[in-house]
Formats: sequence, C-alpha cells, structure tokens
Amino acid sequence: EDQVTQSPEALRLQEGESSSLNCSYTVSGLRGLFWYRQDPGKGPEFLFTLYSAGEEKEKERLKATLTKKESFLHITAPKPEDSATYLCAVINQAGTALIFGKGTTLSVSS
Amino acid sequence: DTEVTQTPKHLVMGMTNKKSLKCEQHMGHRAMYWYKQKAKKPPELMFVYSYEKLSINESVPSRFSPECPNSSLLNLHLHALQPEDSALYLCASSQDGTDYGYTFGSGTRLTVV
Repeated sequence: EDQVTQSPEALRLQEGESSSLNCSYTVSGLRGLFWYRQDPGKGPEFLFTLYSAGEEKEKERLKATLTKKESFLHITAPKPEDSATYLCAVINQAGTALIFGKGTTLSVSS
Repeated sequence: DTEVTQTPKHLVMGMTNKKSLKCEQHMGHRAMYWYKQKAKKPPELMFVYSYEKLSINESVPSRFSPECPNSSLLNLHLHALQPEDSALYLCASSQDGTDYGYTFGSGTRLTVV
C-alpha cells in the first residue's frame, strides 16, 4: 500500500534557525512528489514537484530534495511568516490522485 | 487565471437541509477533485473527475453527490448530512497527467448542526 510519513509532526524554531522537514514514502512507481504549504483554514498552496532521485528545487528560503526513499524540505533562516503546515504528497504510477502525509506544523518565533 | 474558486467560503446547514458546494477553474485543467479535510488532518480524497467523467469515488456515502456540468465547473451536492461531516471541503484541479501538481481552492468550511 502506498504510504507517506512526515516527521516531525511539529517543529518550533527561532527566527533564523535553519532546519529540515522529512517526508519518507513507499509507493508503487513514483510519478511525482509534491510539497505544499497550508495556512489554517486555507487550501494547500503548491510549492514544489520533484520527479527523480537527486533532483533539487529552491524557492526563497525553501529547498526541496529527493532520494529514492525520502524527501527533505530545508528551511534556511526562517521568518515568522514561514509558520504553516507543510504537506508532502505523492502520485503513484497509476496516477490517480495525491496521497498526502499528515504534515509538519512549523512555528517560527521572532 | 491561475485560481480555483470555491463558493461559499462558509456554510452552516441542518441535518435535513440540501445544499451545494461549487468549484470553478479556467486553467483548462481536465481533472478535478473533491477532498475532505478534518482539523489537523491531511486532505482525504473523495472524488475524481477526469474529462468530466467520474473516475474515482473513494467509497463516499451517498449523502455526498458530485456533479461536473462542464470542464470548468464541479459541484458537490449535500443532503442529510451528519455532524461528523463538518470539515473543510477542498476542490482541486490539475492538467491531464498531474505532472504539474494540483491547484487547490481555498475551501468551504462546512458546519453541520
């Protein structure tokens, strides 16, 4: 069964304190791995798509990387406005729909 | 236009009411989705429409009835809901093949009383 596991569940950082969020997956033929940001009461906001091991993508303070078993979302020098829940999701070879992890809730304090 | 628009943003309904949620996109996406999200949980897939045809129904109770009138619109008709159906209902769309990721709407916050 396809599965996505995110850790930690919650992460508290001081402003400027860099860290990483983990997404490990088991999927029958990975077609794509997606990172989303979700603010309370809002829909998920697309951040990145990664397709193959070794791929990296960056956007402002965020950098996503992918291996054959997991993905990392690195946050460099975070700011309070980076506080949100970060969701990881995959699509398998059948390509039907996103399979989400439970998310990591990030809190950044100034 | 790169958005998915959902209406209403908030809805309170009684258990005997009939209501509908609406979703609209003008990005030319041919796949549209309904997800249900409970507090502090990830989104759970309910329905998938591909080229205006229902392709996936994740064993959703019949009190939820989806409809795709055309390639830009997606509705979710609600009838005789239960309080445990209270949640954030998210609509999403994607290009055929999903390789470009999904675009989500802001959701409808549904409360069943």
